[in-house]
Formats: sequence, C-alpha cells, structure tokens
Amino acid sequence: GAVVSQHPSWVICKSGTSVKIECRSLDFQATTMFWYRQFPKQSLMLMATSNEGSKATYEQGVEKDKFLINHASLTLSTLTVTSAHPEDSSFYICSASSSGLAGREQYFGPGTRLTVT
Amino acid sequence: DAKTTQPPSMDCAEGRAANLPCNHSTISGNEYVYWYRQIHSQGPQYIIHGLKNNETNEMASLIITEDRKSSTLILPHATLRDTAVYYCIVRPSSGNTPLVFGKGTRLSVIA
Repeated sequence: GAVVSQHPSWVICKSGTSVKIECRSLDFQATTMFWYRQFPKQSLMLMATSNEGSKATYEQGVEKDKFLINHASLTLSTLTVTSAHPEDSSFYICSASSSGLAGREQYFGPGTRLTVT
Repeated sequence: DAKTTQPPSMDCAEGRAANLPCNHSTISGNEYVYWYRQIHSQGPQYIIHGLKNNETNEMASLIITEDRKSSTLILPHATLRDTAVYYCIVRPSSGNTPLVFGKGTRLSVIA
C-alpha cells in the first residue's frame, strides 16, 4: 500500500506554545488529506479535510483558528496547533487519498502524540 | 455518525480463522464497505474494501451478503500480531469523502 509519514512521532510542549505536525505522502500524490485526533480509549475523530491548494474544511466543533491546516503541495500537509493547552493533548493522525487510487482508499500516517504540559 | 454496527470485542485462538461481523443495514447503492485496523498507538491500516462481490487479498477476505446489509471480514489464520481494533466503514468510493470511524471491534488473538 501507499506510504504516509508524519513528523514528529511525539512532541511535548508547554502550554501557550504552538506545535507544527507534518504529514507527507511518500510514493503518491495526495489530492486530499485528512486530519484526525484520537483521545485515549476512543475512536478516531475527523477534524478537517484539505484539498491541495484550497482552504481546509473543518468539522463542527473544531476551531479553525486554533488548528491551522496547510496543504501547499500534493505531498505535504501541515497541522499547527496554536496556543496549545493541556486539553489539546491527543494522538493526531493524518491520512491521504488520491484520485489516482482506484478504490479511493485512504492511507494513514503513524500518528503524532502531543502532550501539552 | 458511523453507519455500521460491530461487536465491541472478540477473541480468537492463534492459527484459527477470525470472522468479524459488521451490520450496515442503511448502506446506499454507491457506498463501499471498507475495513481498517488499528494496532495500539499506530495509525489505521487499510485491509480491504468491496462493493457487492466478495473480495480477497493477501491480508483477508471480505464476504458481503447479497442484500449488502452486512459483511464479514475473515482473517484466515490469525496470529498474535493481528490483535487490534478492526473498523468497518461504509462510504462512497467517488469523491473525497472522509472515513468516519465508529467504535470498531477489539480482536484479541490468544496463544
């Protein structure tokens, strides 16, 4: 299957600072990327959908000014958590899809564990 | 909202077939059935998907009932490494519709 990477795999930051997470599709061009977060013992929750070169579409209840998403190229999307607080501590996972994939399946990155102290 | 219903947990003996059921009684004609799994603290892994015909790949087989209201994922010879949460998801194949995850089934493979 297609490969998606995330960086960093884990990060600890202080309350009030900003953190950037990168998501890259390594062997295909991702026309669409998705960002999810997952709290302990819960399922994945979709945060936003981004298409290359367009503004991201955020799910209800997700603050677009707090979670900045950039999808500037077909292989890279970034999620910036601004003014992070302890309640933002979570497992953030990106996925990528392409119109070139016959089944339009999504491939997921390994996730980034964010801890805000 | 997830459009599927799965049992919260299942056990399977190592080496035996694991059969994971999924109900999707409200599935639409243009929606596919996708299966993913998530091993602890990792991103979800794509397993298989299908529309109405049974499908098989190197990982698993997908059996979809004729009325498409339910399906079964079959891992033919489960190993300890197959212990994970398995998600059954329905969504259209066309466009860029995201996957919406339900609670899935926690499969424990026991030695």
